[in-house]
Amino acid sequence: DVKVTQSSRYLVKRTGEKVFLECVQDMDHENMFWYRQDPGLGLRLIYFSYDVKMKEKGDIPEGYSVSREKKERFSLILESASTNQTSMYLCASSSPRTANYGYTFGSGTRLTVV
Amino acid sequence: AQSVTQLGSHVSVSEGALVLLRCNYSSSVPPYLFWYVQYPNQGLQLLLKYTTGATLVKGINGFEAEFKKSETSFHLTKPSAHMSDAAEYFCAVSERDDKIIFGKGTRLHILP
Repeated sequence: DVKVTQSSRYLVKRTGEKVFLECVQDMDHENMFWYRQDPGLGLRLIYFSYDVKMKEKGDIPEGYSVSREKKERFSLILESASTNQTSMYLCASSSPRTANYGYTFGSGTRLTVV
Repeated sequence: AQSVTQLGSHVSVSEGALVLLRCNYSSSVPPYLFWYVQYPNQGLQLLLKYTTGATLVKGINGFEAEFKKSETSFHLTKPSAHMSDAAEYFCAVSERDDKIIFGKGTRLHILP
């Protein structure tokens, strides 16, 4: 079964810490995405990547950066965590090559910044 | 620009009753349309999608949706609600550019 794996389900970090959220997919997908999900706001796109070492800003990139050194791994970095970054973070991947168009999501990381 | 509007952030139906979750979209090209479901503390799971062809699309767990171009709608239905259908549902649209835009979600409550 195809998978997108997020390294942590729950994470608690202190204000000002540098936080890494890891996402790995085993489907050889070109595209990877990071969203945050907040009640009443739905899913908001933070960053996405269409290929290794490529990255593009989504709708809310401020306070975040990403890294994609290998095709299967897409990391989201909070340079200096703040309480307003407490949220559910969802990683997804897709490929334009496949007929099965659509995103495959990971299980999410619920981050709390205290 | 593409966008998605889901009518109602919360919908309650009785067990056994019809489920209807509304979704309207805007797109400058023929879109791909999706419904995703999210159970508590989990990621999103694809319920069904429309790309081309038949406008009535059947998905998992007895759900279906109909693409109506004239109404720019893609409403999700299920004839008989089950307690296990309680979840959050997201409608989404793509202009075939590998980028999917999600609605804000509708939380479905099932009343015993």
